[in-house]
Formats: sequence, C-alpha cells, structure tokens
Amino acid sequence: SQTIHQWPATLVQPVGSPLSLECTVEGTSNPNLYWYRQAAGRGLQLLFYSVGIGQISSEVPQNLSASRPQDRQFILSSKKLLLSDSGFYLCAWSLTGPLGYGYTFGSGTRLTVV
Amino acid sequence: QKEVEQNSGPLSVPEGAIASLNCTYSDRGSQSFFWYRQYSGKSPELIMSIYSNGDKEDGRFTAQLNKASQYVSLLIRDSQPSDSATYLCAVNRAGNMLTFGGGTRLMVKP
Repeated sequence: SQTIHQWPATLVQPVGSPLSLECTVEGTSNPNLYWYRQAAGRGLQLLFYSVGIGQISSEVPQNLSASRPQDRQFILSSKKLLLSDSGFYLCAWSLTGPLGYGYTFGSGTRLTVV
Repeated sequence: QKEVEQNSGPLSVPEGAIASLNCTYSDRGSQSFFWYRQYSGKSPELIMSIYSNGDKEDGRFTAQLNKASQYVSLLIRDSQPSDSATYLCAVNRAGNMLTFGGGTRLMVKP
C-alpha cells in the first residue's frame, strides 16, 4: 500500500531564516505531488505541483520554491522566511488518469514564523 | 464566482440526525468529485469519491452528484459527535488537478 511521509510535524523559525520541508511517498511510481498551505481557519492554497522529476509548476508567486530531485521526493524551500509564511503545510500525492483521482495528504507541518 | 463553493457553516445537527452538506461547482467539464474530512489541526482525509450522476453509499455516508445542476452533496446518517469536523468538497479540473471548496464546519451535538 501507498504511504506518504512528511516532516517535521511542527517548526518554529525566525523571520529571515531558511526553510526546508520534505515529503516522500512509498508504494507507487511516478505520482503527481503537491504542496498546499492552509492558513489558520482558511481553505487550502495550492503552492506547487509536480508531474515528474524536475517538473515543477507554481500556482502562486511568492518567496517559496519547490524541487523534486527523485520520483517520490518533494521538497519545499525558502531562502528567507516571512511572518506571512506561517501556516499548515501539506504535501499530497495522487495517481494520474483520465477521470482524475483524489489526493492523499501527508500529516502536515505546522510552521510558525516568529 | 468561486470555482467550488460551500457554505462555511457551522452546520449544527443533533446526534443521530442526518447531516446534509452541499457543494456547487462552476466547471461543467468536471468529471470527478471528492469529499474530505478534516479534523481540527489534522490533515484532510478522503472519505468519498463520486464520478457518475446519482447516489453512492458507503456506510453512513452517501454522496450525491447532479452534473446538470452542478452540485455535489454529502449526507451523513446517524451523525455522531466524532463526525464533527470540516468537510471539504473537491472537484477535478484539467490535468488531474483538484479545486477545493472552502469547507463546511459540521458540529454534531450530543
């Protein structure tokens, strides 16, 4: 069966510090991968998605970046965090197909920028 | 107009009642529809998917799809306090991309 791992679970970082969040998927090949952010009490905001190694699409321009160095690894990064980067970061994966599949989310990282 | 719309709630129902959650979408070309449950502080969990018009039942959950009217609904029978959560509707768009609604907060009171 497929599993998705996301870490760390919580993170407190000072403004201006770098960020690296990692997500890995097991039990499947060539998944679509996604990074979402959810601000407190708000909906899901798609940040990046990837359909293959090295292929990254950005939905919202900001000071975050994403990389997919391996088929089942997705990394979210920032060189300098802003207060507005605080939120609940979620990685997700899906299969691909003509009708579309639901996403499976990781357990999330709660980031607080202070 | 938002692509996927849900009433933010809260929707309050007594324990044992039927909770009815609704979602409308704007893209007539959408083909797949999903309901997620998100407990406070947790990540969303997929609970139902539906691809064809009509009803799909899974235990206490029934998803209903009406493509002509562009709405999807989720019925929860015999609601329990443990069903209290935010329910997210998601609709596919091109390229296997899902668009999520803002979610409806459900409160089931004992």
